[in-house]
Amino acid sequence: GAGVSQTPSNKVTEKGKYVELRCDPISGHTALYWYRQSLGQGPEFLIYFQGTGAADDSGLPNDRFFAVRPEGSVSTLKIQRTERGDSAVYLCASSPSPQAYNEQFFGPGTRLTVL
Amino acid sequence: DQQVKQNSPSLSVQEGRISILNCDYTNSMFDYFLWYKKYPAEGPTFLISISSIKDKNEDGRFTVFLNKSAKHLSLHIVPSQPGDSAVYFCAARRETSGSRLTFGEGTQLTVNP
Repeated sequence: GAGVSQTPSNKVTEKGKYVELRCDPISGHTALYWYRQSLGQGPEFLIYFQGTGAADDSGLPNDRFFAVRPEGSVSTLKIQRTERGDSAVYLCASSPSPQAYNEQFFGPGTRLTVL
Repeated sequence: DQQVKQNSPSLSVQEGRISILNCDYTNSMFDYFLWYKKYPAEGPTFLISISSIKDKNEDGRFTVFLNKSAKHLSLHIVPSQPGDSAVYFCAARRETSGSRLTFGEGTQLTVNP
């Protein structure tokens, strides 16, 4: 069975540009999460979807960041006017449901570099 | 503020010996704790978890201990194997605030043959 996939695996962009990062969760998983991992740090929560709706977006750092999951499956994280501080590995995870005992299955991440 | 802390950035042990990875947390509202393992260029993979109503959970070579009064948990790996070499993350969640995980900084474990 396929795990969580993320594309692209690497993205290099210039300061001020717009980027989209894609996440394909495990089929049937209703919960989807985005995290960001900076160098030497643990993953930091950004946003969580239950189905199509964002149930918790309190981790998004500012209004340049936005995420969608229009059909309750694939999700796209969108970053406008990128800044060098946005450089990090962006991780996506999915879970069969959001209950605490369900582990979150992570994808390999997208490494974003903003020059 | 860092609510989950792993104070040891790295740990090196000999194959066959015990590895003990430590994690401290400050938020007493956390009620579920997880350990993840991460290899380079891969996402974290779930290893073991423990609910706050327990003080120990064991799965094969891996045991997690929780000391709620000290707000401390530890992961024991015994016997350690070279394939266990990875970064280990401690994570915590509050069931009442949804599903977000709060991670520690990670500990790089190296098991020497």
